[in-house]
Amino acid sequence: QKEVEQNSGPLSVPEGAIASLNCTYSDRVSQSFFWYRQYSGKSPELIMSIYSNGDKEDGRFTAQLNKASQYVSLLIRDSQPSDSATYLCAVNEKDSGYSTLTFGKGTMLLVSP
Amino acid sequence: DGGITQSPKYLFRKEGQNVTLSCEQNLNHDAMYWYRQDPGQGLRLIYYSQIVNDFQKGDIAEGYSVSREKKESFPLTVTSAQKNPTAFYLCASSRTGNYGYTFGSGTRLTVV
Repeated sequence: QKEVEQNSGPLSVPEGAIASLNCTYSDRVSQSFFWYRQYSGKSPELIMSIYSNGDKEDGRFTAQLNKASQYVSLLIRDSQPSDSATYLCAVNEKDSGYSTLTFGKGTMLLVSP
Repeated sequence: DGGITQSPKYLFRKEGQNVTLSCEQNLNHDAMYWYRQDPGQGLRLIYYSQIVNDFQKGDIAEGYSVSREKKESFPLTVTSAQKNPTAFYLCASSRTGNYGYTFGSGTRLTVV
């Protein structure tokens, strides 16, 4: 069973700090990696995608990928209370020629004012 | 605006009853997916479809059925064979390939 692992949290950070969310995956051939934000009672919303090793920045968000270590992370700079949510890591995996996303259980982030 | 619509938002099912959850998208995406989310759990794949009239079982397909007669629509039926159907059901769509998914707003199913 291919796995995507995340620390469930909660991760608590003060407003203005950097929040660091981590994810490891088991399938070495995975090629696409995504971070979703899910507010309580709502559906997931795609916030970042990354396909190659290194960093990708978009506003206050930076995704980092290290395929050799099978590790992907999300940094949120200048954290705001509105960033308080569960963050889901998703990794694409192929099965019988079809590609689907496998999700981690998510890390809950709490940003205190 | 393009998007993906799930209905109903809330659904109550009696024991032994089949229910169908609707999912419609106007994003012109070829691929559609159904996931189930339980409290404190990640999303688990039920069924997916890459093209019309074709679909594959995901990790937890038992007790569920789907159809894909139109590109825009991918309804999910929760049958009486599904012994623990209470969950948050999420439909998603994507372009074919290694792309992220767009999710609908979800259907919360409760057995009464």
